[in-house]
Amino acid sequence: DVKVTQSSRYLVKRTGEKVFLECVQDMDHENMFWYRQDPGLGLRLIYFSYDVKMKEKGDIPEGYSVSREKKERFSLILESASTNQTSMYLCASSFGGGNEQFFGPGTRLTVL
Amino acid sequence: QQQVKQSPQSLIVQKGGISIINCAYENTAFDYFPWYQQFPGKGPALLIAIRPDVSEKKEGRFTISFNKSAKQFSLHIMDSQPGDSATYFCAASKEYGNKLVFGAGTILRVKS
Repeated sequence: DVKVTQSSRYLVKRTGEKVFLECVQDMDHENMFWYRQDPGLGLRLIYFSYDVKMKEKGDIPEGYSVSREKKERFSLILESASTNQTSMYLCASSFGGGNEQFFGPGTRLTVL
Repeated sequence: QQQVKQSPQSLIVQKGGISIINCAYENTAFDYFPWYQQFPGKGPALLIAIRPDVSEKKEGRFTISFNKSAKQFSLHIMDSQPGDSATYFCAASKEYGNKLVFGAGTILRVKS
């Protein structure tokens, strides 16, 4: 079974803190994605990566950055957390030529 | 600008009834239309998907109906069960391995 793991299920941070969200997949997938999920807005793509050290902006990249130093790991970074970044963050991965995305369980981030 | 519009936001169905969730898209370049199912505390998981060369796809109690001319597709859950209670997302993408655009989600509750 494909497994996508996220470093934390719940996280509470203060405004202005630098926040790291880690995602690891164990199926040698080329593609990795970061989404945020908010009620009534569905899943919105923040950043994605097609290969190591490659990244592309999604629909809502402002306030976020990413890092992919190894194929299996994709990190989302909030440089200076703000209260409007309180949300559920979901990581996903997929094969390079495939459409199906496999999701992690999510990290619920609260910024106070 | 929402490229995939999903309705209704929430749905309550009696056990044994039919659940119907609708989605409409704008971009005619989309050629892959999946539905994802998300249970509380879990990440979304692929339920069923269709490509525009067919008008219907059935897997067990789940059916996707696709209307290319109307740019609409829908999920039908026959004989709905309490275990089907979840959030359902429709999505669309342009080509293999490309990013998905998600609808806003539908919270389904099946009453026993």
